[in-house]
Amino acid sequence: GAGVSQSPRYKVAKRGQDVALRCDPISGHVSLFWYQQALGQGPEFLTYFQNEAQLDKSGLPSDRFFAERPEGSVSTLKIQRTQQEDSAVYLCASSLGGQGNEKLFFGSGTQLSVL
Amino acid sequence: RKEVEQDPGPFNVPEGATVAFNCTYSNSASQSFFWYRQDCRKEPKLLMSVYSSGNEDGRFTAQLNRASQYISLLIRDSKLSDSATYLCVVNKRGGSYIPTFGRGTSLIVHP
Repeated sequence: GAGVSQSPRYKVAKRGQDVALRCDPISGHVSLFWYQQALGQGPEFLTYFQNEAQLDKSGLPSDRFFAERPEGSVSTLKIQRTQQEDSAVYLCASSLGGQGNEKLFFGSGTQLSVL
Repeated sequence: RKEVEQDPGPFNVPEGATVAFNCTYSNSASQSFFWYRQDCRKEPKLLMSVYSSGNEDGRFTAQLNRASQYISLLIRDSKLSDSATYLCVVNKRGGSYIPTFGRGTSLIVHP
């Protein structure tokens, strides 16, 4: 596709529900990042994939958070037993290679509200 | 202490003004530096990379001071359309390069 696509755009979940957020990066992009952005804050790193390999998951806040990218393209971020503090915008970004000095292309994000 | 620190502002300036933002980072091994712009309820977009020698793109100038571990962004002749949040990004080197964002500085340009 032309850009990074995320779905759903908005998600409302009841506390305790499981949610799955999808990211479709730009075709051919090797690197994929997930970030969490709370209101008034900058994006906070969650996890990083290079192709299908999850190279860094140090930012995942708890073991309720899980991410995968099984075929090196589409990625899913899953949050189990959602809590109110999980409410945030979840941003996915991709970049062409894995050199670290490249432009990040962001999706529009998924706004998660946990009631 | 956060790895990347920015003054959240807001910076409230009239059209035509010159405004500067600073950002400090804590990891001296950081390799790459960027400024991103984020409009309200939108995703961040790359504004410019920051090079050691400093670089300019039209009305925007970015500078890096490795010794003091800060980067700056200067906007000349501010336009109403410059109103946004400016995010400082530093790529730290651990096992992988991870772009680390500051909380952003809010700029409001008024007529």
